[in-house]
Amino acid sequence: NAGVTQTPKFQVLKTGQSMTLQCAQDMNHEYMSWYRQDPGMGLRLIHYSVGAGITDQGEVPNGYNVSRSTTEDFPLRLLSAAPSQTSVYFCASSLTGGTRFFGPGTRLTVL
Amino acid sequence: AQKVTQAQTEISVVEKEDVTLDCVYETRDTTYYLFWYKQPPSGELVFLIRRNSFDEQNEISGRYSWNFQKSTSSFNFTITASQVVDSAVYFCALSEFRGANNLFFGTGTRLTVIP
Repeated sequence: NAGVTQTPKFQVLKTGQSMTLQCAQDMNHEYMSWYRQDPGMGLRLIHYSVGAGITDQGEVPNGYNVSRSTTEDFPLRLLSAAPSQTSVYFCASSLTGGTRFFGPGTRLTVL
Repeated sequence: AQKVTQAQTEISVVEKEDVTLDCVYETRDTTYYLFWYKQPPSGELVFLIRRNSFDEQNEISGRYSWNFQKSTSSFNFTITASQVVDSAVYFCALSEFRGANNLFFGTGTRLTVIP
């Protein structure tokens, strides 16, 4: 099992550009989520999904879009990147009620 | 609403000292999960422990131990005989028992173990 994988590991964008952060898991987990980590603020939930076709907003959803067409994949889209979105992004998956397993993270810089 | 407070922003200890990381939480739920994660300098998040709210037994795993006290809404983490490899940021987190089980994180405690 590869666990939770994320691509890319690093990305630099210019303000206004769009991009998709990829997340995939091979553990057949129903639950997937995206967090951002900023210095001194811990991890904050952006969006989550409890199964294919079902997504919902977390604590800080503005500027991000998600979809869940398969159990395995949960991409995060930045529609128009802003410097405030400079952060480290983590994807996580779990069985419902189970322990979250986190991907290795994507470090994003928006200039 | 759920809230997790880790009041200690940074702690430094000398190798072989014991250290306790504090975690205080708030929730209206009567049942919930509590977690600790470790984030070493390499950046990944490593799961350490999950505890459900109706199991107040303390847990020990090697040099690690956890003290869960529902009466004071605390879930503290102690490292005995600390080692340099314990240097990391440690996060306490809380999740709902039902529904989406979203995780709410504290702001983390950076532990530095000095050789």
